[in-house]
Amino acid sequence: GAVVSQHPSWVICKSGTSVKIECRSLDFQATTMFWYRQFPKQSLMLMATSNEGSKATYEQGVEKDKFLINHASLTLSTLTVTSAHPEDSSFYICSARDTQGGYGYTFGSGTRLTVV
Amino acid sequence: GNSVTQMEGPVTLSEEAFLTINCTYTATGYPSLFWYVQYPGEGLQLLLKATKADDKGSNKGFEATYRKETTSFHLEKGSVQVSDSAVYFCALTPGTSYGKLTFGQGTILTVHP
Repeated sequence: GAVVSQHPSWVICKSGTSVKIECRSLDFQATTMFWYRQFPKQSLMLMATSNEGSKATYEQGVEKDKFLINHASLTLSTLTVTSAHPEDSSFYICSARDTQGGYGYTFGSGTRLTVV
Repeated sequence: GNSVTQMEGPVTLSEEAFLTINCTYTATGYPSLFWYVQYPGEGLQLLLKATKADDKGSNKGFEATYRKETTSFHLEKGSVQVSDSAVYFCALTPGTSYGKLTFGQGTILTVHP
């Protein structure tokens, strides 16, 4: 089946530093990837939609300069949290759309970000 | 806009009990409906889906039927196991084009031996 590999699974960083999260589609081409943020015991909040080779579309209220998304290839999308602050601590999940294989959406395993 | 409403949790059951998690939706046209499961510290896994009215999705003993007349997609399982303990999310996307997913708030299920 379709697999999305997300790394790192967890990361601790200091305030003011930047963190990059990667999502790779391992056995299919992901023309579209979605990035979500999840707070404890809450649902997923869509942050942005990225299409390969074009700029990401951010949801209302999401700071595009803080959450940089790059989708330079059909198998890799990255989310960079710039100048991280403790309030950015959260669980970040990516999802790739696989329409060819009929799987629909495949989710990464998530990244737990803690900013200290 | 589109929205998904799930029953309030958490839900606590004994092993082999019957499970129902209610899900209703608001959407224009004919959305595709999904149930996802999230185990602690992990991403989401597709549990089952249905793309048109009266379709029944099923997997691992779980079932859900797309009811357009009641705009519902309730999740059921006849006999739960401890390993079913997880968070369950109902979701929809407009049509079958795999656009943005709209999630319900999630329901925490705990199954005791």
